[in-house]
Amino acid sequence: DAGVIQSPRHEVTEMGQEVTLRCKPISGHNSLFWYRQTMMRGLELLIYFNNNVPIDDSGMPEDRFSAKMPNASFSTLKIQPSEPRDSAVYFCASSSPFSAEAFFGQGTRLTVV
Amino acid sequence: QKEVEQNSGPLSVPEGAIASLNCTYSDRGSQSFFWYRQYSGKSPELIMFIYSNGDKEDGRFTAQLNKASQYVSLLIRDSQPSDSATYLCAVHGSGNTGKLIFGQGTTLQVKP
Repeated sequence: DAGVIQSPRHEVTEMGQEVTLRCKPISGHNSLFWYRQTMMRGLELLIYFNNNVPIDDSGMPEDRFSAKMPNASFSTLKIQPSEPRDSAVYFCASSSPFSAEAFFGQGTRLTVV
Repeated sequence: QKEVEQNSGPLSVPEGAIASLNCTYSDRGSQSFFWYRQYSGKSPELIMFIYSNGDKEDGRFTAQLNKASQYVSLLIRDSQPSDSATYLCAVHGSGNTGKLIFGQGTTLQVKP
């Protein structure tokens, strides 16, 4: 298995633009997590899905952030409009129904200028 | 109170010594506990998990869990410079759809 696949790996955008991050979880995994990592705040859970249903989005910082999981093999995290303080590394992770162990993608480094 | 707390460090130990990393958590219903290692610029990777009270050993790594004290630790024996990284404690919340929450991470530096 190729593991969790995220795209793009790097994104540089101007303030006010829409940004869409993509994630393909490991096949057979039924939980998907979106995290944001910064030096100041560490690895923060933004939202997680179970069987494609959002279970807890209490970590989503503002209405500018939205996430979808239209099917078991794809999820998006959208920021509209983006702001410089959104600059961070965004990780997607997935886990199977048989273990709580989460496997991480390579991350997307987002820079908003 | 943060859900998962770790000392951010850095923790500096000489090569060959034992490194001890600690973590406390707030959700008493938590069932699963994990230690991840993250090298600079890389994604977190799992190194140990523990579900029951007591010790669990895997090579040079030992995870310790005390649910009564809501405390998890990781011991690294015979520390190597290649162990220098940030170690993240993660706790899986109650129930089958519980969320996975990470601590801030402890930076470990192993000096040759």
